[in-house]
Amino acid sequence: DSGVTQTPKHLITATGQRVTLRCSPRSGDLSVYWYQQSLDQGLQFLIQYYNGEERAKGNILERFSAQQFPDLHSELNLSSLELGDSALYFCASSLYTGGAGETQYFGPGTRLLVL
Amino acid sequence: QKEVEQDPGPLSVPEGAIVSLNCTYSNSAFQYFMWYRQYSRKGPELLMYTYSSGNKEDGRFTAQVDKSSKYISLFIRDSQPSDSATYLCAMSLYNNNDMRFGAGTRLTVKP
Repeated sequence: DSGVTQTPKHLITATGQRVTLRCSPRSGDLSVYWYQQSLDQGLQFLIQYYNGEERAKGNILERFSAQQFPDLHSELNLSSLELGDSALYFCASSLYTGGAGETQYFGPGTRLLVL
Repeated sequence: QKEVEQDPGPLSVPEGAIVSLNCTYSNSAFQYFMWYRQYSRKGPELLMYTYSSGNKEDGRFTAQVDKSSKYISLFIRDSQPSDSATYLCAMSLYNNNDMRFGAGTRLTVKP
């Protein structure tokens, strides 16, 4: 168990809808990362928050947004969902800003299915 | 061409075999190289981390980086059924937030 929790584990929704995925980092970790894992694109970095502030953006669509709250948990909001958004969404956390070599701990993921 | 290429397998070996997993990459600026292990229905977990070229050993696992060939490898000695998982290579320029992942190789170790 990595200490990172994600809810819900599974989510089934329809195209055009909006969903919110939640992540609680390991105790003491200040950075939260969001990743998308799909069969065709593999594991892709979406966005990183550090101590409440956005730190880095990856391949995140404009329809997607995230935030990190004062208690350091994070939410990923996905809107105007399309079939292609069906994927596993992972949250990871690390102790500080995520410099090279700083271990990231991944949560168990949320499996999203858009019908 | 993808930035990181990894044969997705699947790869099936008998228990006790030596396993070799490989990735190639195109961006010569990558400096940090990682291997993650992902069990079915779980998140990836960091297995090995290497900076620049060279070898690193940790128990039954050895990671090799050849920057001149843009090629990295993970060797698993005396493989066990518990090693059955998908292995993802990853590499970055500077930080965790610029990592590029391979597609993952699915490994099965048969008792």
